[in-house]
Amino acid sequence: KQEVTQIPAALSVPEGENLVLNCSFTDSAIYNLQWFRQDPGKGLTSLLLIQSSQREQTSGRLNASLDKSSGRSTLYIAASQPGDSATYLCAGRDNYGQNFVFGPGTRLSVLP
Amino acid sequence: DGGITQSPKYLFRKEGQNVTLSCEQNLNHDAMYWYRQDPGQGLRLIYYSQIVNDFQKGDIAEGYSVSREKKESFPLTVTSAQKNPTAFYLCASTYGTGLGEQFFGPGTRLTVL
Repeated sequence: KQEVTQIPAALSVPEGENLVLNCSFTDSAIYNLQWFRQDPGKGLTSLLLIQSSQREQTSGRLNASLDKSSGRSTLYIAASQPGDSATYLCAGRDNYGQNFVFGPGTRLSVLP
Repeated sequence: DGGITQSPKYLFRKEGQNVTLSCEQNLNHDAMYWYRQDPGQGLRLIYYSQIVNDFQKGDIAEGYSVSREKKESFPLTVTSAQKNPTAFYLCASTYGTGLGEQFFGPGTRLTVL
C-alpha cells in the first residue's frame, strides 16, 4: 500500500529565506502529484499539479519537481513571506490506483 | 464563481445520531470525493464517485454512507456505527475520470458531544 512521508514535519524560517519541502512515496510508480496549501481550519488550496508526462511545475515563487525513479518530490518556495505560513501537503496518485494518497503535511511558519 | 461548497461549517452530533454533511459543486466535475482529516495525519479517503448513481468505498468507509443522485451533489451521512466520528471532513472534486487536478471545499468540522 502506498504511503507518503513529508519532511520536515514543521519548519520555522525568517522572512526572505528560500526553502525546500520534501515528499517521499514508498512506491515510486507515481502517475501524477499535487501540492496543496492548508490554512488552519480551512480546506485545501491547490498549488501545483505535476502531470504524468512532466517533471516539474512553476507558479510564481513556487517550483515543484518530481523524480519518479526515486518516488520523491520537492516544493521550493523562493523569498518566503509571512503570508506563506500554512501547512503544505503533497498527494500522489500511483500507476495502479484511482485516487490520491496524502502525506501528513509540513507546517511552515515564516517569521517577519 | 465556480467552486465547492460544504455545509454546515460546524456540526455537533449526539451519541447514536446520524448526521448528513452537504457537498455541492458547480464546476461540472464528474468525480467527487469525501476525506476525513485528523490532527497530525494525512487525509484519508472515505468514499468517491466518478459518475452519477455510482460510488466506491475508500480506505475508511465503515460507518459512513453516500449517495450521488445528481452530478453537482455528493452528501455524506455519518451513521451511529461510526465509533469515532469527531474530525474535519473535506469534500473534493476533479474533472473527468478523476486523473486531473483535485479541488477542495472549505470543510465541515464534526464534533460528537
